[in-house]
Amino acid sequence: AQSVTQPDIHITVSEGASLELRCNYSYGATPYLFWYVQSPGQGLQLLLKYFSGDTLVQGIKGFEAEFKRSQSSFNLRKPSVHWSDAAEYFCAVGPNQAGTALIFGKGTTLSVSS
Amino acid sequence: EAGVVQSPRYKIIEKKQPVAFWCNPISGHNTLYWYLQNLGQGPELLIRYENEEAVDDSQLPKDRFSAERLKGVDSTLKIQPAELGDSAVYLCASSLGFGTDTQYFGPGTRLTVL
Repeated sequence: AQSVTQPDIHITVSEGASLELRCNYSYGATPYLFWYVQSPGQGLQLLLKYFSGDTLVQGIKGFEAEFKRSQSSFNLRKPSVHWSDAAEYFCAVGPNQAGTALIFGKGTTLSVSS
Repeated sequence: EAGVVQSPRYKIIEKKQPVAFWCNPISGHNTLYWYLQNLGQGPELLIRYENEEAVDDSQLPKDRFSAERLKGVDSTLKIQPAELGDSAVYLCASSLGFGTDTQYFGPGTRLTVL
């Protein structure tokens, strides 16, 4: 069965420090992978997506993610975190050939300290 | 371009009462999704529409939940009667088509059942 695991429930990073949010997936075929961000009271906003090709994907707001098939991972990174990056981040996989919609992880809450 | 619009943003009701949520997708988007997001969890698909046809409603609790998408544009999700466990955020999303097309999410409706 398809699944997404985000091992870290909550992460605190100092402003200006680098960030890496982990995502592991279980999927029977080549996955489509996504990272979404959700600020309080807001809907989910797409940061970046991977379908095929270059395994290092650039997204909005200075984020990037790297697809590693051997590790079944799609970790999100940012070299320098800003206070406005504090939010909840969701990794998602899908849809697959069976036509299911996105399957989300449980999310990682990012806090930024000054 | 206007995003996905949802109303109301917040709703508080007594258990056993009916409630309805409305969604207006991005113009031209044929695919519409309703997701349920429980506290501390990622969104989970309830139903997906392709135009006016519900093509994936396997996760919709049909004893109390219903949905419609008349004319393939706006959509309404209804719960009757509501239970305490239905307290959650109900998210609507839309995409041009299904598959690799990006899903755009609305801000959600936060439902509290007392």
